This record gives sequence, structure tokens and C-alpha cells, in this order.
Amino acid sequence: KQEVTQIPAALSVPEGENLVLNCSFTDSAIYNLQWFRQDPGKGLTSLLLIQSSQREQTSGRLNASLDKSSGRSTLYIAASQPGDSATYLCAVIGSGGYQKVTFGTGTKLQVIP
Amino acid sequence: DTEVTQTPKHLVMGMTNKKSLKCEQHMGHRAMYWYKQKAKKPPELMFVYSYEKLSINESVPSRFSPECPNSSLLNLHLHALQPEDSALYLCASRNRAGNTEAFFGQGTRLTVV
Repeated sequence: KQEVTQIPAALSVPEGENLVLNCSFTDSAIYNLQWFRQDPGKGLTSLLLIQSSQREQTSGRLNASLDKSSGRSTLYIAASQPGDSATYLCAVIGSGGYQKVTFGTGTKLQVIP
Repeated sequence: DTEVTQTPKHLVMGMTNKKSLKCEQHMGHRAMYWYKQKAKKPPELMFVYSYEKLSINESVPSRFSPECPNSSLLNLHLHALQPEDSALYLCASRNRAGNTEAFFGQGTRLTVV
């Protein structure tokens, strides 16, 4: 069974800092990995998708990397802003016929002005 | 159109009521998902439909009954729920084949009284 863990569980940083969120998974047989953000009480907003054949993906101030063999992904946020405050979730999409999407435990980020 | 639309946004129901949640997408995706999310927890997979057939049931109690009447529509029928079933219910879809991202709706906030 796929287990996805995110470290740290919570993070508080001053505005302007660069930061790294970590995601690890136990089964490396995945199609791809997706990063989401979730604001309190809201749905999920997709940030980045990294396909299994890719090592890295960038969108604006966000950069995500994937190392399938070691079962790890990182999300790098440059020059953090108060608007980045949210819970960040990684999700792995498994290979095989069932197309399972398994979420990590989440990192709650607070960026202090 | 890259949206997954869920209705209603909020639902309050009694333990003897029967209600339904609805999810719609027009992206031609053939995999559709129901997730349940409790406060401060990641989404947990409930059901996966692939080509309108149920392919995964994560041992969900029978008081939750999914239905996929066509390739664009996914329903979740609710009956005799318990207060602990109160949660955010999220629907998602993705293209069944290939390394594609999952799209999520904004969820239905369900309260069982």
C-alpha cells in the first residue's frame, strides 16, 4: 500500500524567505506526482504536475523536483509571500489499472508579513 | 473548460434523510473520484470510476452509494448518515490514460445533524 508522508507538518516563516517542502512515498511505481494547495475550508488548487519521466517542473516562484528511485519530491517556493499561506499537499498517481491518487499528510505553511 | 463542478456547495441533512451530491466535468475524462476530507486531514479516497464502471471501493460503508450515469456525471447518494460523516466531499477527474493531472472540484461541505 502506498504511503505518502510530508515533512514538516507545519512551517512558519517571515515574508521573503525561500523554503522547501518535502514529500516522500513508499512505492516508486508511480505515473506522476502532483502538488496542490488548499486554503482553509476550500477545495484543492493544482500547482504543478511532474510526470514520472521528468525530474523537475517550474511555475513562477514554484519549482518541484521528483526522484522516483528514492521516493522523494520537493516543492521549492522562492521569495515567499503572505498569500502563500495555505496547506500544501502532494499526491502520487499510481501505475496499474486502478489509477489511485494518494495524498500526503500535508504541510501547513504560514508566511508572516 | 477545465472545471470540475460540484453541487451543492453546502448541505445540512438529518440522519434519516436521503440526499445526493453531484459532480460534473466536460473534459472527456474517463476516471472520476470521490474523496472525503475531515478537518486538518488529507483527502481520503472513497471510490474510483473508470469508464463509468466502479473500479475501486475503499471499504466505504453502504450508506454511501456512488453512481456514474454517464461519462460526465458522478453522483454520491447519501442515506442514514451519522454525525461523524460530516466532512468536505471532493470530486476529481483525470484522463484515464497517460501522465495527466487530476482536477478537483471545490467540494461539498456536508453537515449531518
